[in-house]
Parts: sequence; structure tokens; C-alpha cells
Amino acid sequence: QVQLVESGGGVVQPGRSLRLSCTTSEFTFTTYAMHWVRQAPGKGLEWVAVISYDGSNKYYADSVKGRFTISRDNSKNALFLQMNSLRAEDTAVYYCAREAGYCSGGTCYSVGYGLDLWGQGTTVTVSS
Amino acid sequence: DIQLTQSPSFLSASVGDRVTIACRASQDISSYLAWYQQKPGKAPKLLIYTASTLQSGVPSRFTGSGSGTEFTLTISSLQPEDFATYYCQQLNSHPLTFGGGTKVQIK
Repeated sequence: QVQLVESGGGVVQPGRSLRLSCTTSEFTFTTYAMHWVRQAPGKGLEWVAVISYDGSNKYYADSVKGRFTISRDNSKNALFLQMNSLRAEDTAVYYCAREAGYCSGGTCYSVGYGLDLWGQGTTVTVSS
Repeated sequence: DIQLTQSPSFLSASVGDRVTIACRASQDISSYLAWYQQKPGKAPKLLIYTASTLQSGVPSRFTGSGSGTEFTLTISSLQPEDFATYYCQQLNSHPLTFGGGTKVQIK
């Protein structure tokens, strides 16, 4: 069954860092843009960041820009989120998600087809 | 940044009811809108993309419509498994954003 598996969550003090990972072995990882989305306890979904299929383009939510870095290692089918200078308001379940798209002529495109595959989430708690 | 406003925030309905959820964008997003369903403790599930295209495997009682700034998700006949929270998301421009969610509860 196609799936994404997140890891790396835990309890961390404010100001510290944490690195989340997301891996899969069940689809052609290298052809998909990948996202991180988070959900604070009892709250709605908040989009965090996206990275293009080849890692050349990255975008971030204003709330994490300058503190979080999204990256990927296509040789290992892995997605990462490096989170620095963590704050209490970063406490959330973090999901990785795949963005549906298409490839043509060696280039893959995101065309607004939505996030069609999600991991189960990993919990990050920022607390002293 | 593009803001998405969902209404209502909460909705009480009975099995068999027709339910409509609205999502309004703060600026024109063409048809770059997706709808998701989320149940407690679970990851979201994609229902509809490009405003009106049904994701594979999603029951046909779910329909999406709209373009520009006004969108709707309709469930034609609510089933027990449809009680959940629904979110819209714009994929027109970065940063991507989600609506605040609509919780569909049993009346």
C-alpha cells in the first residue's frame, strides 16, 4: 500500500531545533512536489512549506519563514523539515503530503491537483 | 496572502440531508481549489481538486463547484461516515492556505 511515514517528532524546549523526516518506498518520489502541513491541538490545518520535485523551488508560510527549512534527498526517497528557533506556537501534528501533478519531457509540474497522499503525522511539542 | 473563509464553521445535519459548505477566497484563484475531509485523529483525505474534479475513489455524492472567489462543496445525501471536518485549500499561489474548516455534526 502506498504510504508516507513521518518521524522525528518529540518534546523540545523553546529556542531549540528539531528535524522531521518523511519517507516512502511505494511510489516514484522523485516526480512529486512534497509539502508539510501542520495542525495545532484542536485547531485547523496550516500549510507550512513545499518543495518542488527536484528541490529547485521552495516556498514557506510566513509563520515559519527564516526558521524552518524544507529539503529532500531523492536518492533516499526522503523529505525533511529542519525546524529551528522553535516556539510554543509551533506545537502541532506535522503531516507530510504529496502533491499530485504530471511530468512531461523530463520536467514535472504542479498544477493545483491537491495533496493526494498524506502521512499519519508526527507530533511536535514545544515546551519548557 | 490569499485568505479563505469557510461557512458555516459548524453544521448539524441528519443522515440523508443535503449539505452545502461555502469557501470564499480573498482574491481570484481561478479553479485552483481543493476540498479535504478529516476525521478525528486521522490525516486529511483529498475529496475534490480543481474546484470540481472528484478524486478517484470518492463517492459521487460529493460535488464541488465554483470559480474565481466563490466555491461550494455539496454532499447530496449525508451518510454516517461523512460526519467529519471539511477544509478548502487554495493552490493558486504561494503561500498556499487552508480555510478554517467546517465541522459536520450529527443532529
